[in-house]
Amino acid sequence: EPEVTQTPSHQVTQMGQEVILRCVPISNHLYFYWYRQILGQKVEFLVSFYNNEISEKSEIFDDQFSVERPDGSNFTLKIRSTKLEDSAMYFCASLNPRGSSYNEQFFGPGTRLTVL
Amino acid sequence: GIQVEQSPPDLILQEGANSTLRCNFSDSVNNLQWFHQNPWGQLINLFYIPSGTKQNGRLSATTVATERYSLLYISSSQTTDSGVYFCAVEGAAGNKLTFGGGTRVLVKP
Repeated sequence: EPEVTQTPSHQVTQMGQEVILRCVPISNHLYFYWYRQILGQKVEFLVSFYNNEISEKSEIFDDQFSVERPDGSNFTLKIRSTKLEDSAMYFCASLNPRGSSYNEQFFGPGTRLTVL
Repeated sequence: GIQVEQSPPDLILQEGANSTLRCNFSDSVNNLQWFHQNPWGQLINLFYIPSGTKQNGRLSATTVATERYSLLYISSSQTTDSGVYFCAVEGAAGNKLTFGGGTRVLVKP
């Protein structure tokens, strides 16, 4: 069964460094998302991406964040200058609006980002 | 934006017991999903259920969209059912998911 994959599973970085989190969505999906979950809290929406552009973003998704689909398979989230409060689990999700469960989002296993 | 409330926040069960988790939401939804977050932090899709009833093994879910709630039933609970259960909804205005605060379930042997 196709699934969303994410790399790395865990990343440790120093405050102020740039990080890139990578996702490979399910191949026939058209909508892509990033969510984050700070430890012990609820999952929060960051950004959605469709047709090679951002379709919606949250207040959290400020100028430090960017997303890109550099080729036909990868979807990346870049944090330009990490802060301590960026430490969280980051989830990628994708959706195929033409499937039978046409609004169902499928989530990857997450990348745990630790900023020291 | 749409509000999602889950209850109870915590639930302790003896193995073999049945339980019901509730998700209330404040507006019409296009999508409702239930997830189980395992001890490794992964979100496991349980149900895509914007309306109606579905069953998958010992788990079942019912969404009554007109009354803005969904229920997740766990029957004959096992220790592997432990974890956090999240309800997430997509409002009529967009396609992002808004998550509830979760129900933390501990099943004791």
